[in-house]
Amino acid sequence: RKEVEQDPGPFNVPEGATVAFNCTYSNSASQSFFWYRQDCRKEPKLLMSVYSSGNEDGRFTAQLNRASQYISLLIRDSKLSDSATYLCVVNLRYDDMRFGAGTRLTVKP
Amino acid sequence: DADVTQTPRNRITKTGKRIMLECSQTKGHDRMYWYRQDPGLGLQLIYYSFDVKDINKGEISDGYSVSRQAQAKFSLSLESAIPNQTALYFCATSDVGERKQYFGPGTRLTVT
Repeated sequence: RKEVEQDPGPFNVPEGATVAFNCTYSNSASQSFFWYRQDCRKEPKLLMSVYSSGNEDGRFTAQLNRASQYISLLIRDSKLSDSATYLCVVNLRYDDMRFGAGTRLTVKP
Repeated sequence: DADVTQTPRNRITKTGKRIMLECSQTKGHDRMYWYRQDPGLGLQLIYYSFDVKDINKGEISDGYSVSRQAQAKFSLSLESAIPNQTALYFCATSDVGERKQYFGPGTRLTVT
């Protein structure tokens, strides 16, 4: 079983749609959680950290459920520019970041 | 200017050749990392360094070596390249006390 699992997609949604991605992780000792965004053939960029109480950044909302060991990302009012691959990242300690394979999102006009 | 730079950005090499990928950063971070990314897989950690005198193996270090020449520079070497080392390689940095990592633009390596 992979340590971090994501639905690979692709998710194809129209502009303005709301879309949600889930990610599960296997190690209950995981300490920090992140969503990164990766455009095609480019470097991952931090989208947002994920906190236990849930957090929001504009159109993006992240949730963490430690009991069920899953993380979610909700994107509201999707834009064409949101098209990318979204990586779920789980951190045990500084030297141990585990990356999911990513969920690909395409937003269409 | 980018905070984390990698050279070369693209490289095609032949099986058995030695190749070095370089990473430089201006963020002032002590911690640096090398990852590889294969299609359909998550990033995998090759090596990491918490300061100039500290080098550690990651989950897939076989066939690779590294050198931390200075706080700002961390190089990855493939001593004898093989085709299954064809991948996208990323360098990353992080600050002490911070778990977030910042990535360079990547090096696309093809071994024929």
